[in-house]
Amino acid sequence: SSELTQDPVVSVALGQTVRITCQGDTLGNYYATWYQQKPRQAPVLVIYGENSRPSAIPDRFSGSTSGNTASLTITGAQAEDEADYYCHSRDSSGHQLFGGGTKVTVL
Amino acid sequence: QLHLQESGPGLVKPSETLSLTCSVSGGSINTAAFYWGWVRQPPGKGLEWIGTIFQSRNTYYNPSLKSRVTISADTSKNQFSLKLDSVIAADTAVYYCARQAFDVLIAYYDNWGRGTLVTVSS
Repeated sequence: SSELTQDPVVSVALGQTVRITCQGDTLGNYYATWYQQKPRQAPVLVIYGENSRPSAIPDRFSGSTSGNTASLTITGAQAEDEADYYCHSRDSSGHQLFGGGTKVTVL
Repeated sequence: QLHLQESGPGLVKPSETLSLTCSVSGGSINTAAFYWGWVRQPPGKGLEWIGTIFQSRNTYYNPSLKSRVTISADTSKNQFSLKLDSVIAADTAVYYCARQAFDVLIAYYDNWGRGTLVTVSS
């Protein structure tokens, strides 16, 4: 069955750049979507499609894909970016899956 | 502005059926532009896709839950619902409803409810 693999934990110094990756066979055919989730809150869409952001999401968030790996990059990480980040995609059957999540710590 | 709100019992006994409703305001669920779905998150764990409904009749379910899940819609009330049969403790989770954009190359949730915690316990 399809799955999406993420590193469990990533840390970044305040103001520096961090890249979060998501690996999965389905990403060779379908775009990944990225969500940010803070404690006790619902997930929030941050990146979808090739590299699109909802209007409320700062432009320090960007997305890219290379082969079977999708990446979410935060350029100039801020304290408020500390959160869990999940990738999400679909497969050819219309089924969907989430990555296991990456906890981003801003030092 | 679109608003989604989950409702239903917060406690369900093992082997019984979990039933939740998502009430949608600020937009119609009877649209060809969006799908409507359920996602859950066990305490301290990651997100899990449960299933999706499109135009009130086309459904897609997580293969691991398919035998126990039913998603339906009531367009007259602008609501869609989740039923999960024969629940066990591992079904304890925060359950989210969400609106989804779904296309040939992508699927993404752009609006989420706040989530509701359902605990399976006797």
